[in-house]
Amino acid sequence: DTEVTQTPKHLVMGMTNKKSLKCEQHMGHRAMYWYKQKAKKPPELMFVYSYEKLSINESVPSRFSPECPNSSLLNLHLHALQPEDSALYLCASSQGRLAGRGTDTQYFGPGTRLTVL
Amino acid sequence: KQEVTQIPAALSVPEGENLVLNCSFTDSAIYNLQWFRQDPGKGLTSLLLIQSSQREQTSGRLNASLDKSSGRSTLYIAASQPGDSATYLCAVGYTGGFKTIFGAGTRLFVKA
Repeated sequence: DTEVTQTPKHLVMGMTNKKSLKCEQHMGHRAMYWYKQKAKKPPELMFVYSYEKLSINESVPSRFSPECPNSSLLNLHLHALQPEDSALYLCASSQGRLAGRGTDTQYFGPGTRLTVL
Repeated sequence: KQEVTQIPAALSVPEGENLVLNCSFTDSAIYNLQWFRQDPGKGLTSLLLIQSSQREQTSGRLNASLDKSSGRSTLYIAASQPGDSATYLCAVGYTGGFKTIFGAGTRLFVKA
C-alpha cells in the first residue's frame, strides 16, 4: 500500500476562519511533508516532519502551523489566511533519510484544493 | 542559489514517438533526483528515483539518467501513448535537511 490520504478534498474558507487539513499514511514512513502548489507552478516545500522533528521553510507565514500527532498523521492548521493562500496543498511521505542512502522516494496524496474568500 | 530548470516547458508529439525531457540543476550536491507525473488538478505520481550515486533507472517504457557533474537529468519515454499526456516534474533532493526543489515541469501532449 503506497497510499497517502488527504481530507478534505476541497475547502472554502473566509479570512477569519480557522480550519485544518489532514494527511495520513500507513506505510510506516517516518518523514511527512506539506507542499503548496499554485496553478501552473511547481510544488513548494512548506514543512517537513522527520522522526517527529520539524523542519520548516522560514518563508512560510505563521498563519500556517503544522502538527504531527503521531508518525502516521500530519495536520496543517490554518488561521487568518489571505486570498493569495488559495492553492492546492499536497501532503507527501517517505521512509526518511535514516532508512537508506538516497532511496527516499516521496509518495504524494491527492491534495486539498483550498479557496480563501 | 539552488535552481531546477526543465526544458521544454511544453511538448506535443504524435503517438508512438520516443521523446526526451530535460532537467538541469545548479547545485550538484544532490541527495537524489525524482521524476513525477501530475495530471491536471491531481497529486503527484512517482515515476523514478535516482540516487546520487546512480547513473540511471528504468521502469517499463521510462528511463531516467543522471549526470551530476553537468547538473543534468533526462527522462526518456519510449513509444509514447495518449495516456502519457500529463505534466512531468523533476524534483531534486539536497543533502542537509530535507530541502526538495521542483522544476516548473514539462507539459506533454501525445496526439492519437
